[in-house]
Amino acid sequence: AQSVTQLGSHVSVSEGALVLLRCNYSSSVPPYLFWYVQYPNQGLQLLLKYTSAATLVKGINGFEAEFKKSETSFHLTKPSAHMSDAAEYFCAVSDDNTDKLIFGTGTRLQVFP
Amino acid sequence: ETGVTQSPTHLIKTRGQQVTLRCSSQSGHNTVSWYQQALGQGPQFIFQYYREEENGRGNFPPRFSGLQFPNYSSELNVNALELDDSALYLCASSLGGGSTGNTIYFGEGSWLTVV
Repeated sequence: AQSVTQLGSHVSVSEGALVLLRCNYSSSVPPYLFWYVQYPNQGLQLLLKYTSAATLVKGINGFEAEFKKSETSFHLTKPSAHMSDAAEYFCAVSDDNTDKLIFGTGTRLQVFP
Repeated sequence: ETGVTQSPTHLIKTRGQQVTLRCSSQSGHNTVSWYQQALGQGPQFIFQYYREEENGRGNFPPRFSGLQFPNYSSELNVNALELDDSALYLCASSLGGGSTGNTIYFGEGSWLTVV
């Protein structure tokens, strides 16, 4: 079965610093990978998705992620953190072709002034 | 704004009661999935409906049931509520049909508290 592992339940950065949120996947076939953001008391918003078209995926709000097959990773990055980036971030993998998502446990990003 | 709407946004139920949550999918989407997100955890897949038929189920007991209507809106029903059912219930819509890598849009969720 497919799965994703998010390393680090909490990440803290200063405003303007690089954001790096880690996600590793376990899949025997090329996966479809997603990053979602969840602001307090809200639903999930899609940041970006990987569907094998390009290994470097650019998303909304300045985020991007790189698919590395050799490392089975799909880490999320942003060059310069903003206070508004503080939220919970979830990595997810699509199970086969059913649009069913398997989520990681999430990483809470804190941004300090 | 994802075009996926859920109701109610918040509700409180007593243990043993039944609850129905509703979801309107994004226009043109024929697939609706339901997820349970307990506090501090990632969403867990409950089940999915594609063109009014159940199309996959996660590790949830039969007291979690659902429906999808001809307009592709959906309901999640939970019977015999337990305290552990307290969670955010998320609805997601997509254009399924076996295609892969579809964009999956989530609603704002329904917060259920069981006391």
